[in-house]
Amino acid sequence: SAVISQKPSRDICQRGTSLTIQCQVDSQVTMMFWYRQQPGQSLTLIATANQGSEATYESGFVIDKFPISRPNLTFSTLTVSNMSPEDSSIYLCSVGGSVQHRNEKLFFGSGTQLSVL
Amino acid sequence: QKEVEQNSGPLSVPEGAIASLNCTYSDRVSQSFFWYRQYSGKSPELIMSIYSNGDKEDGRFTAQLNKASQYVSLLIRDSQPSDSATYLCAVTDYGQNFVFGPGTRLSVLP
Repeated sequence: SAVISQKPSRDICQRGTSLTIQCQVDSQVTMMFWYRQQPGQSLTLIATANQGSEATYESGFVIDKFPISRPNLTFSTLTVSNMSPEDSSIYLCSVGGSVQHRNEKLFFGSGTQLSVL
Repeated sequence: QKEVEQNSGPLSVPEGAIASLNCTYSDRVSQSFFWYRQYSGKSPELIMSIYSNGDKEDGRFTAQLNKASQYVSLLIRDSQPSDSATYLCAVTDYGQNFVFGPGTRLSVLP
């Protein structure tokens, strides 16, 4: 499976500020996704990070609030903009579809625990 | 809308017993099925994948798939306290769209 490095692992932020989360994979992957997991809840897909083009957002998530970059097949960032306490959650990077192995399994980074005061 | 359903639990079993976790899905075109284990405060970890009808065994874990009934299950034999976690069922159509269930919380009692 791919080795996924996600950082920061946790952060405490002030209301109105922005935080950028980075996701680095040790191999080329076709699919990269960003999920949110609120306390006691399951995973909610925020968007699919598309290499070289705009991300595809799920219903309820917009680019202005969660801008995403994916400049190549191994790296992506998610920014949580103009944060409010409601954005406090765990944010997870996930990858699938290894270019080399044609692997459709989905693997997760270690997550970013975000607390907004 | 594609849905994956699981009993939220908690499911409590004594140590050494068999834990049975169930999952149903709504989209008949689903091709691949996965079970993830998530410990509290950690990210989900892939533990089993299954693609065709029948059983697939890996150590103490057995995944069972019945596409006609749109049903997938996970059996954990000889349950250990270290198996206590939330188990997420996930389905996908050719790796493009992954849909996760709400998860079942398993508690193995010593």
